[in-house]
This record gives sequence, structure tokens and C-alpha cells, in this order.
Amino acid sequence: LAKTTQPISMDSYEGQEVNITCSHNNIATNDYITWYQQFPSQGPRFIIQGYKTKVTNEVASLFIPADRKSSTLSLPRVSLSDTAVYYCLVGDIVRGNTPLVFGKGTRLSVIA
Amino acid sequence: EAEVAQSPRYKITEKSQAVAFWCDPISGHATLYWYRQILGQGPELLVQFQDESVVDDSQLPKDRFSAERLKGVDSTLKIQPAELGDSAMYLCASSLTPEPLRELFFGEGSRLTVL
Repeated sequence: LAKTTQPISMDSYEGQEVNITCSHNNIATNDYITWYQQFPSQGPRFIIQGYKTKVTNEVASLFIPADRKSSTLSLPRVSLSDTAVYYCLVGDIVRGNTPLVFGKGTRLSVIA
Repeated sequence: EAEVAQSPRYKITEKSQAVAFWCDPISGHATLYWYRQILGQGPELLVQFQDESVVDDSQLPKDRFSAERLKGVDSTLKIQPAELGDSAMYLCASSLTPEPLRELFFGEGSRLTVL
């Protein structure tokens, strides 16, 4: 299983763009990169998923360089409600039986 | 919007007692997961089911934990006897298979406190 490394915490002011980078040096060919968001006392919630280059949805963008050894979750114009823990997961989602492993995540604090 | 249902939401028990958690996944989701999350840590996978079969239970402490999904729908996670170190949030998640993108849908969790 590919191990991921993220910053433990980040602070940002409201309205700023936040970029959280995840390292996954031993990512395998069939592995996808998935990000989850977790608010206190709630289960994690899927944000975005990608394999290479760039993926964008209504919530975030995911940038993946050509070597795929890292990825960056970009949150545009964060608000106080974006304060949460963000997890980067790497795994083979095509073969549905392989486990998805959460690391410790990045605790994002958005300040007014 | 369909949700993963878990109960109880909170459970306080004494050491050496038995405790059980129940999960009802989103209808049609064949894959079900139980995760344990200790405060300040990321969720740790305990067991994964595909329909009624266990796919991965390598991290499940089998001397005291058991999990079942008899009819391939809802699932129960049991701890007997509970220990102080079992205090944690127990999260259930489900996903739709086959799937092009394996998105996990989590319930709100069951918070266990062992005294």
C-alpha cells in the first residue's frame, strides 16, 4: 500500500486559496488519489479523486504531476466552514477489494 | 439523500462489558467497512465486507472484536470484553461496486467511551 505524507496542520485566512500537498512516492500504476474532508464528530466526506493531471469539481481542484509522486488539493477562497481535517488516500480503486488507508490528515484552520 | 445509518450514536460502558454497534449501509452498496478512529488520528480500517463475505479483517483484534454481515445488508460490530483502549469513534462506511470511482459514504459514527 502506498504511504502518504501530509502536513499535520495549516492555517489560512478567509477568502484565500489553500493548497494542501500530499506525498506518495511509492504510488502504484493502478492507484488513484482520493481526498476526504472530516468535520468534528462526523464521518469523512469524499471531496475529489483523480489519476493524473488536473481534476476540478464544484468544491476543489486536484493537481497531479506527471510522476504522480505527489498531489495537491486546492481549495479556492476558503471560508470558516472549511475548517476541517483533510485526508489524502492512495489506493487501487479499480480492484474494489483492496483497502483504503487513512493517514493522520492535515488539520486546516480558517481564521476570520 | 441516502445515508449510512449507525447506532447507537454514543455508548458508555465499563471495562469487561460487551458492546455492539449496528450499521445500515446505503441501499445497493455491496461493500461495507468498519473503521475505528481514535481522537486525533485518522480512521483505521478494522474490517471490509463484500456482500456477506469478509474481504479484509487483518487489523481486527479477533480475540475481542467480531463483525458480521449475515445477509449482505446491515452489519454488526461487537467488542467483548471492552477495554479502556477501545474508547474511540467507530465509523461505518459503504461503497457501490462495481464502480469506476470508489467513493466511501460514511455514517456519523458511534462514539464509545470505556470506563
